[in-house]
Amino acid sequence: EDKVVQSPLSLVVHEGDTVTLNCSYEVTNFRSLLWYKQEKKAPTFLFMLTSSGIEKKSGRLSSILDKKELFSILNITATQTGDSAVYLCAGSRKAGSYQLTFGKGTKLSVIP
Amino acid sequence: NAGVTQTPKFRILKIGQSMTLQCAQDMNHNYMYWYRQDPGMGLKLIYYSVGAGITDKGEVPNGYNVSRSTTEDFPLRLELAAPSQTSVYFCASSYMGAGYEQYFGPGTRLTVT
Repeated sequence: EDKVVQSPLSLVVHEGDTVTLNCSYEVTNFRSLLWYKQEKKAPTFLFMLTSSGIEKKSGRLSSILDKKELFSILNITATQTGDSAVYLCAGSRKAGSYQLTFGKGTKLSVIP
Repeated sequence: NAGVTQTPKFRILKIGQSMTLQCAQDMNHNYMYWYRQDPGMGLKLIYYSVGAGITDKGEVPNGYNVSRSTTEDFPLRLELAAPSQTSVYFCASSYMGAGYEQYFGPGTRLTVT
């Protein structure tokens, strides 16, 4: 059974801090690791990672995958209150499987 | 371009009642999914579809049914509602398979009492 574990489960930081969210995975025939941000409603896509060691960046957010150690991190620099959300990571298998295995999420609270 | 839409937003059902959650997308995506999210948990796949007329079970299909008669619509049917089906339900779609970006609808919050 595939498994995705995120840590920490919750985190409180002050505006301007840098945070690192962790995601470890055990996914048979692994294809990709995806990060989503979930505010009050639907998850919104952040990154898809398939290759080890290649950093994906979008503004203050960045993510990297380590396929040898089976984990990924999501970094957020200079945090803002708008970054407060639940961050979900999910692992997928190669073609033929349509199931994403999600972690429980990390709840990030950024206080002014 | 509305993306993925879901109706209703909220619903309260009595035990044993049935209902259909509606999902539609206007992005011409072949792949569509239904997830449920329980408090403090990640999303779990209920059913998915790879195109009109083709559906299959996900991780937690018991108590649910789906159909896909058009590319746009993917309704989820709950038969004989039970308290264990109290959850938030998300519909999603993607241009390619599950390992690629999925677009989520706003969710339906369902309470079964």
